[in-house]
Amino acid sequence: NAGVTQTPKFQVLKTGQSMTLQCAQDMNHEYMSWYRQDPGMGLRLIHYSVGAGITDQGEVPNGYNVSRSTTEDFPLRLLSAAPSQTSVYFCASSYLTPGGYEQYFGPGTRLTVT
Amino acid sequence: DQQVKQNSPSLSVQEGRISILNCDYTNSMFDYFLWYKKYPAEGPTFLISISSIKDKNEDGRFTVFLNKSAKHLSLHIVPSQPGDSAVYFCAASENTGFQKLVFGTGTRLLVSP
Repeated sequence: NAGVTQTPKFQVLKTGQSMTLQCAQDMNHEYMSWYRQDPGMGLRLIHYSVGAGITDQGEVPNGYNVSRSTTEDFPLRLLSAAPSQTSVYFCASSYLTPGGYEQYFGPGTRLTVT
Repeated sequence: DQQVKQNSPSLSVQEGRISILNCDYTNSMFDYFLWYKKYPAEGPTFLISISSIKDKNEDGRFTVFLNKSAKHLSLHIVPSQPGDSAVYFCAASENTGFQKLVFGTGTRLLVSP
């Protein structure tokens, strides 16, 4: 199993450009989510999905769109990049265990917007 | 407002000694708490969790303690090893069906030989 994969690893955008961060998981997990991590801050939830066709907003959704057409993929779209979106983005997939949800994170995408 | 706080940005410990990482929270609706470990250029990896019905959970060298009245939890690593050097994040969630995690800012642990 590859687990959670994210592409690209690094990306530089100019203000106003659009792009899609890819995320895929091969563990057949129902739940997937996107977080961003900024310097000196913890990870913050952007959007999440509880199954194919179902998405919802997290703590910091503005400027981002998501869709979930398959169980495996959960892309994050930046429609018009802004310098405030410079961050490291982590995708996670999770499933429910008797002890609670267990989340598996991808390696991250480092995005710089100039 | 920071609902989950890790007030120590860094901690240095000698190999073999105990590492104690602390976390405070303000939201009384949180009832599930987790610790994640993160190496540079990698995503966080799950370490250990505890639900609010318990006050202690143990997994090998890692023990998490929860004090609900003080809204405080701690992670104990005994004995500490150089491979434990990483950033440790505390996270919390309400039992709302899907686990929407709220993370602390992290504590960088350095374990020296």
